[in-house]
Amino acid sequence: QQPVQSPQAVILREGEDAVINCSSSKALYSVHWYRQKHGEAPVFLMILLKGGEQKGHEKISASFNEKKQQSSLYLTASQLSYSGTYFCGTFQGAQKLVFGQGTRLTINP
Amino acid sequence: NAGVTQTPKFRILKIGQSMTLQCAQDMNHNYMYWYRQDPGMGLKLIYYSVGAGITDKGEVPNGYNVSRSTTEDFPLRLELAAPSQTSVYFCASSYSGGLANYGYTFGSGTRLTVV
Repeated sequence: QQPVQSPQAVILREGEDAVINCSSSKALYSVHWYRQKHGEAPVFLMILLKGGEQKGHEKISASFNEKKQQSSLYLTASQLSYSGTYFCGTFQGAQKLVFGQGTRLTINP
Repeated sequence: NAGVTQTPKFRILKIGQSMTLQCAQDMNHNYMYWYRQDPGMGLKLIYYSVGAGITDKGEVPNGYNVSRSTTEDFPLRLELAAPSQTSVYFCASSYSGGLANYGYTFGSGTRLTVV
């Protein structure tokens, strides 16, 4: 069963913050985050491997709450280049990385 | 360093035709994957491979076949194409199977239309 992302879409002005959530009905052992720009391939952002882990990538960071079976992606002081669709991925059995339906982020000047 | 290379980039097939989507990686990754992405949707896993000679089904394998005779290549075969197979197909590879801080590297995709 694929993870569920929320919200489905976000529209921001440049410089505003956003949070994208990813939750699973099954136990989570790791979470992947990817960004896909229109017409392009998904690009790996980060992976969280254990509960309580937090990671950062410039102004994009993520947390992983193993007990709540969810992960959140934080985008602070958003830039135009952050626009795109963000996907979380979780494992449904070994090697079966399944993705959420995506969250479309639009950053306006 | 080319990464993951997919060919062709675009293809139009008629219903009932067959074709092979090619995928090659030059990173010496053991793990390779095929996903499809329908318009405005997420990625669905079709097949994956953990090494040469080893393949397994993903979420949506029906209508597809794969083979993995070398570490570098992982072709996807569509038999008897149907309109429901109209999609963008992405091939991906990974060093550690998606663990240990290594994510997936995706190819640029093949946009397939079945008419």
